[in-house]
Amino acid sequence: GAGVSQSPSNKVTEKGKDVELRCDPISGHTALYWYRQSLGQGLEFLIYFQGNSAPDKSGLPSDRFSAERTGGSVSTLTIQRTQQEDSAVYLCASSLGGTGVYGYTFGSGTRLTVV
Amino acid sequence: AQKVTQAQTEISVVEKEDVTLDCVYETRDTTYYLFWYKQPPSGELVFLIRRNSFDEQNEISGRYSWNFQKSTSSFNFTITASQVVDSAVYFCALSEAHRDDKIIFGKGTRLHILP
Repeated sequence: GAGVSQSPSNKVTEKGKDVELRCDPISGHTALYWYRQSLGQGLEFLIYFQGNSAPDKSGLPSDRFSAERTGGSVSTLTIQRTQQEDSAVYLCASSLGGTGVYGYTFGSGTRLTVV
Repeated sequence: AQKVTQAQTEISVVEKEDVTLDCVYETRDTTYYLFWYKQPPSGELVFLIRRNSFDEQNEISGRYSWNFQKSTSSFNFTITASQVVDSAVYFCALSEAHRDDKIIFGKGTRLHILP
């Protein structure tokens, strides 16, 4: 597609439920990133994929968070047993080559609210 | 370690005034990239500029200009003759070429342009 697409755009879930957030990167972009932005805060790195592999999972805040990418394209970020502190905007970005020389394009994000 | 500091959390100026957003970074890498992104109220991150560590030339794009100084590890952003549409949160970011391929963001500066 023309840009990075994320769905849903908004998600309200009850504490304890699992949620799945989806990211469709720009076609041909091999690198994909997930970031989290809590209210009024900067962007916190979560995970990075090069193709289907995730060489850097250091940013995942707990074992309740997991992510996968299939076919070198779509990625899913799953949060199990959601907690209120998981409420944030989850942003996805993709890059042609995964280094700064190519830059990064961000989606509009998924706003997650845990009640 | 990678670090980006945006000391100004919030700035308000009257329309048509010039405003400079400060960014100071830390890195041990000799090859790195610096970015500025704009986040309007819609939430999407809009790419503004990318600068590599070997290019210290200042850049001007319309009313926007960037001052990169390696001696002070700064990459400041100036908006000339500000407009209400410039109101947004602006993020400075750093990516190191020889480490993990992720961008480290500053906490952002919220800019209010008052009519």
